[in-house]
Amino acid sequence: EIVMTQSPATLSLSPGERATLSCRASQSVSSNLAWYQQKPGQAPRLLIYGASTRATGIPARFSGSGSGTEFTLTITSLQSEDSAVYYCQQYSNGLTFGGGTTVEIK
Amino acid sequence: EVQLVQSGAEVKKPGESLKISCKASGYTFTNDWIGWVRQMPGKGPEWMAIIYPGDSDTRYSPSFQGQVTISADKSINTAYLQWSSLKASDTATYYCINYRIPAPGRGGWFDPWGQGTLVTVSS
Repeated sequence: EIVMTQSPATLSLSPGERATLSCRASQSVSSNLAWYQQKPGQAPRLLIYGASTRATGIPARFSGSGSGTEFTLTITSLQSEDSAVYYCQQYSNGLTFGGGTTVEIK
Repeated sequence: EVQLVQSGAEVKKPGESLKISCKASGYTFTNDWIGWVRQMPGKGPEWMAIIYPGDSDTRYSPSFQGQVTISADKSINTAYLQWSSLKASDTATYYCINYRIPAPGRGGWFDPWGQGTLVTVSS
């Protein structure tokens, strides 16, 4: 099973700052990676698939990059509504999620 | 707009059976994969099972094979997840999802998600 490791566990930033979230795969997943946002009490929402393609309706401040084993989700100019847990998921071999990164807005 | 509307919260005792449902709308039910994802309290999501209602092709995560059964009723655009004997460790929120694949035979992502069904198993 491919293990997905996310870092940091928690990120605390101010509105307007840039957030950089990392996701590492235990073996190469090529570009077969998705990112999700989950706000408290809500279902996860797809943000990115194919490592860098934004899903329908996702604001341009969310961007994904990387391939192989190292991936990054960047949120430019953080807004209060971006406070959430963010998960990565690989779909190269099986379907596995990372443990999540919590983004807190100060 | 695609919508996945799940059945309500359940409280069950260990050993009891359960079947939860997910009614799909806004697309042709037989043309897309639909399935279930588990999220235990404070943990990340885990893929459980998917089904293609067009031909009833089913796939299970090895972690959940034999533990649950996925099914679908094409006549009412509804998918189901059932347990024959619940355990306390089945306590979790279960999400209905559409499974999107970029090409046949490839892996994919989950979009959209239903609102979730909280299942509590306690004696």
